[in-house]
Amino acid sequence: KNEVEQSPQNLTAQEGEFITINCSYSVGISALHWLQQHPGGGIVSLFMLSSGKKKHGRLIATINIQEKHSSLHITASHPRDSAVYICAVRSRETSGSRLTFGEGTQLTVNP
Amino acid sequence: DTEVTQTPKHLVMGMTNKKSLKCEQHMGHRAMYWYKQKAKKPPELMFVYSYEKLSINESVPSRFSPECPNSSLLNLHLHALQPEDSALYLCASSQGVTGQRQETQYFGPGTRLLVL
Repeated sequence: KNEVEQSPQNLTAQEGEFITINCSYSVGISALHWLQQHPGGGIVSLFMLSSGKKKHGRLIATINIQEKHSSLHITASHPRDSAVYICAVRSRETSGSRLTFGEGTQLTVNP
Repeated sequence: DTEVTQTPKHLVMGMTNKKSLKCEQHMGHRAMYWYKQKAKKPPELMFVYSYEKLSINESVPSRFSPECPNSSLLNLHLHALQPEDSALYLCASSQGVTGQRQETQYFGPGTRLLVL
């Protein structure tokens, strides 16, 4: 079992829909990251969380430390949101510089 | 400036070639990272430099040789690669590597490498 599990693996939505991507982890963490990777490669860091909730534009990220679970929400989705969304955690047990990545969620938003 | 730049964007090389990938950041970050990413897989950590010293080598084969000439630059020298080394190579940087601090890693756009 991976230390970081994401669901769903693939998600297709219509423009305007509310989207949720989930991330569960099995280790104690100091931080959790949500990353976005567009076709072509570059990775953008969307959020870094250690508790609570963060919002940036149409994106909202939440984390429940007790349940070892985080969600990424996209409101009013748009085709330009189509990308792979990756959850990554910084474990308290391992060296501070290592991130453990989930397998990613491929999101496709159709017009 | 919150940008990490990587050159070249694409690279095709033969198994006997020697080439280098370059990464640069001007955010004053003291930690820099090389990742390898195969298609439809998450990035895999290869190397971490902290204050220009190699702090982590994830048992990477010696045909990959990292170098950090100064705090803004990170190179990855490639020699005698195999076709299975074809992948996207991502560079990242962060303020530091201390586990107690919550630090965002800033990623570059990557170099897409094809080994023939």
